[in-house]
Amino acid sequence: AQSVTQPDIHITVSEGASLELRCNYSYGATPYLFWYVQSPGQGLQLLLKYFSGDTLVQGIKGFEAEFKRSQSSFNLRKPSVHWSDAAEYFCAVGAGTGRRALTFGSGTRLQVQP
Amino acid sequence: EAGVAQSPRYKIIEKRQSVAFWCNPISGHATLYWYQQILGQGPKLLIQFQNNGVVDDSQLPKDRFSAERLKGVDSTLKIQPAKLEDSAVYLCASSLDRGPFYEQYFGPGTRLTVT
Repeated sequence: AQSVTQPDIHITVSEGASLELRCNYSYGATPYLFWYVQSPGQGLQLLLKYFSGDTLVQGIKGFEAEFKRSQSSFNLRKPSVHWSDAAEYFCAVGAGTGRRALTFGSGTRLQVQP
Repeated sequence: EAGVAQSPRYKIIEKRQSVAFWCNPISGHATLYWYQQILGQGPKLLIQFQNNGVVDDSQLPKDRFSAERLKGVDSTLKIQPAKLEDSAVYLCASSLDRGPFYEQYFGPGTRLTVT
């Protein structure tokens, strides 16, 4: 069965600083990987996804993520954080066949200091 | 395009009472998912429907939870009787049956508090 680990429960960065959120997955085959963002009281919004091909994927709001098979990682990055990026970020892996439900990590809460 | 609709947005009940949540997926989306998100955790799948058939309900506590999608469109999730540990946000998502992986679109969720 697949699993996702987000080692950082809470991260604080200054506005304008760069950001990297870590995600490690466990899955026997080629994974489908996702990053979602959840603002307070809101549903989950998809930031970006990786299915195959180029290992560096671009998403919305200036986010990108890099798939590294050798490290079983899919870290999320942003070069310059804005105050509006403060939210909870979830990494997820999908099995991709039949049962297409996602397995989520426990999330990383991002706080942005002015 | 309208998104996934859920109601109610908030519900407070006492333990041992029953409660029902409703979800209307994006028009044309054949697959519907219910997730449970306990505070401080990521969402966990409860049940997955394709049209009106169940694909996966392995993590649904069937002694107290039930779900249906009778006409392959909207869906209802019920808890009877509720326990304190059922306090969570219940998220509904839907996806098109097209492409290598079906991108899921989430509703705003229903926040349940059991006292």
